[in-house]
Amino acid sequence: DGGITQSPKYLFRKEGQNVTLSCEQNLNHDAMYWYRQDPGQGLRLIYYSQIVNDFQKGDIAEGYSVSREKKESFPLTVTSAQKNPTAFYLCASSIHLNYGYTFGSGTRLTVV
Amino acid sequence: GENVEQHPSTLSVQEGDSAVIKCTYSDSASNYFPWYKQELGKGPQLIIDIRSNVGEKKDQRIAVTLNKTAKHFSLHITETQPEDSAVYFCAASRDNAGNMLTFGGGTRLMVKP
Repeated sequence: DGGITQSPKYLFRKEGQNVTLSCEQNLNHDAMYWYRQDPGQGLRLIYYSQIVNDFQKGDIAEGYSVSREKKESFPLTVTSAQKNPTAFYLCASSIHLNYGYTFGSGTRLTVV
Repeated sequence: GENVEQHPSTLSVQEGDSAVIKCTYSDSASNYFPWYKQELGKGPQLIIDIRSNVGEKKDQRIAVTLNKTAKHFSLHITETQPEDSAVYFCAASRDNAGNMLTFGGGTRLMVKP
């Protein structure tokens, strides 16, 4: 079955540590996205990538980094520079223009 | 850029009643409007979408209407059931914005049995 997989489902990070969230898709989608969702809030765009080896900052990119070395993979690193990283992180992909996104099941990151 | 506003932010209905969620958009060039349902602890799922060349689309108990002149679109759920309880997001995109969707702020729908 085709789909988009995020791992891990739950992640705990100590203050000052970097952590990387995985996002893999086998849908052959060109574009991939990372969103952050805080409790009771909407979706805020962190980074997006329209094609391999290219990515762009979204609305809240500070404290985050990404890479897009393969079409299937778009990992997100939450760095120690992100002051309030506790949130639900969603990865999505889309095939091309004017089609809906397919979302992963999310990773809940908690700073302890 | 595009701005999408969604109302209401919360909606409580009795089982069997209808629910309507409305979104307005700012960019008249937007031409694709999907709706997503997000259950607790899960990622959003696409439930229905509409393109600007049609005014209404229906899928069983769910329908979406689009008014291009007024720049608003709505999600209608009839005969609501407890399993319809979730957060619903609307979104909009346009041809010259690549694949980018602009999302509304979400509506928490609660269906009381």
